[in-house]
Amino acid sequence: GENVEQHPSTLSVQEGDSAVIKCTYSDSASNYFPWYKQELGKGPQLIIDIRSNVGEKKDQRIAVTLNKTAKHFSLHITETQPEDSAVYFCAASRAGNQFYFGTGTSLTVIP
Amino acid sequence: DAGVIQSPRHEVTEMGQEVTLRCKPISGHNSLFWYRQTMMRGLELLIYFNNNVPIDDSGMPEDRFSAKMPNASFSTLKIQPSEPRDSAVYFCASRPGRDEGQFFGPGTRLTVL
Repeated sequence: GENVEQHPSTLSVQEGDSAVIKCTYSDSASNYFPWYKQELGKGPQLIIDIRSNVGEKKDQRIAVTLNKTAKHFSLHITETQPEDSAVYFCAASRAGNQFYFGTGTSLTVIP
Repeated sequence: DAGVIQSPRHEVTEMGQEVTLRCKPISGHNSLFWYRQTMMRGLELLIYFNNNVPIDDSGMPEDRFSAKMPNASFSTLKIQPSEPRDSAVYFCASRPGRDEGQFFGPGTRLTVL
């Protein structure tokens, strides 16, 4: 099956700086890569996703890049704000199948 | 749209008791997933359904766990008998299509004493 690794497990940045979270996957047939944000006491929330036919996608301050050859994808958050503090999960899947989640990155934005 | 609805939000029970968790997926979504989240094991997929049919239940820890989806708008996860090691947050998620993201509910925090 698929194996998704996520790094780093914890990340602290100063407000206004950028944050980057990286994930690798093992199944070359995976074609859908979502990112989730989980705040304390809440369920994971889908924040951005990318499909294998696209190399980069951006939505305001967040962007995701995908390198299919190297089998890795990354989440980039620019101009970080305290409300970006949360746990972020990456995932990989084939269409119609289950998601394989990374182990999560706890992001702290220091005001 | 109300999103995925789970009940109860919190459940405290004693070892040996039966526990039933409930989920109402987003209308029109044809896949439903049950997850368990703990600090030690992270987010684990227990079972998922496509069009009300169980597809993969290999994540169900043992026979004490069972899940049903009698129709497109309702699913249950039952634990009988419950044990302290079942204490966790249980999430339900639904997905609109094969190549779409999952939308999670707020979770049920289960504590088994």
